[in-house]
Order: sequence, then C-alpha cells, then structure tokens
Amino acid sequence: GENVEQHPSTLSVQEGDSAVIKCTYSDSASNYFPWYKQELGKRPQLIIDIRSNVGEKKDQRIAVTLNKTAKHFSLHITETQPEDSAVYFCAASIGGGGADGLTFGKGTHLIIQP
Amino acid sequence: KAGVTQTPRYLIKTRGQQVTLSCSPISGHRSVSWYQQTPGQGLQFLFEYFSETQRNKGNFPGRFSGRQFSNSRSEMNVSTLELGDSALYLCASSLVRDEQYFGPGTRLTVT
Repeated sequence: GENVEQHPSTLSVQEGDSAVIKCTYSDSASNYFPWYKQELGKRPQLIIDIRSNVGEKKDQRIAVTLNKTAKHFSLHITETQPEDSAVYFCAASIGGGGADGLTFGKGTHLIIQP
Repeated sequence: KAGVTQTPRYLIKTRGQQVTLSCSPISGHRSVSWYQQTPGQGLQFLFEYFSETQRNKGNFPGRFSGRQFSNSRSEMNVSTLELGDSALYLCASSLVRDEQYFGPGTRLTVT
C-alpha cells in the first residue's frame, strides 16, 4: 500500500520567515495530495490540496508544489505568523471519491518564534 | 452549512466492552470516512462508506466495523476493547472527489 514520509518532524522558524515541509510518497498511482493543519485539541483542517495534473497551487501565503517524477510534494508558508503554529499533515490518495482513504504522513510540529 | 459532527466527544470504557461512535456528515455529503489518531501511529484510515456501502477498508482487525444509514449518518463500532484502542476517532465527510472535512473527533479512553 501507499507510504507517506514527512520531514521534518519539528520546525521552528522566526515570525515573518518562510517554512517548508516536505513529503514523499511511494505509490505512483496516487493522484491527490491534501495538507491539513491541526491545532492542539482541534480537528484537522484542510488548508490546501493539489492533484497530479498540476505542478503548483497557491492560496495567499500558502503554496504546494508537486514533483510526480520524484514522488514528492511540499508545503510552503511565507510570512509566517503566530497563528500558523500547529501540526501540519500531508496525505496522499489514489482518489476515487475518497474511497481509497487518505494515507497520512506523521506530521510536522511548526513553531513560530516571536 | 453545519460542519461534521461527532458524538459523543469523550468516552471512557473498560477492556472487553464494546463502543459505538456516531458521525453526522455535512449536509449533502454522501461519503463518510473514519480514521484513528494516536501519538504513535498518527492518522490511520479505518474505512469509508458511500451510499450505505463500505467501499474500502484499512488495515484494522475485524473488531472495528461500521455502517452508514440512508441519511448518510455513520456509526463505527469497536468490540472487545483493548487498551491499544485508546485514541481519537475522527470521521470525515466528502462531497466531491477526495476533499475530506473532518469532525471534532471522539476521544476514547480504554482502562
């Protein structure tokens, strides 16, 4: 089955700097790659996603890039703010309306230093 | 629109008991997936239901089961509880392909 590796497990950046979280996946059939943000005690929140027919997607300060050949995708957060502090999860899916389920990485604890 | 809701939010059970958790998807969503979240294993896929049919299942023992009703509400059941079943159980609903929105979860503690 699919295996998703996520790095780093902890990332500390100064407020205003950029943060990059990287994930690799194993199954070349995966075609959907969402990112979730989970604050302490809260539900995972979908923040951005990308499909395999697209190389990059941006939404304000957040961007995701996908390299299908290398089977890796990354989350980029620019101009980080204190409210960006959370655990971020990448995931991969073969698709089909969610039927195959999401395979998640282990998460990255992002700490924004004031 | 109201988000995904789950009940109960917290549950304490004893080893050997069984438990039923409930999930109400976002109105109009017909797909409901269940996930287990633990500090050690992270988020793991349990199963997915669409139109009352289980379409896919993760790598969990048969003690974990679920069902979906005609109104898309879903329940999951865990029988013969073990200490290792202590976890946050999350359900997620989906309208279009793949975009899943999570509920707040049910925190299950097995003693």
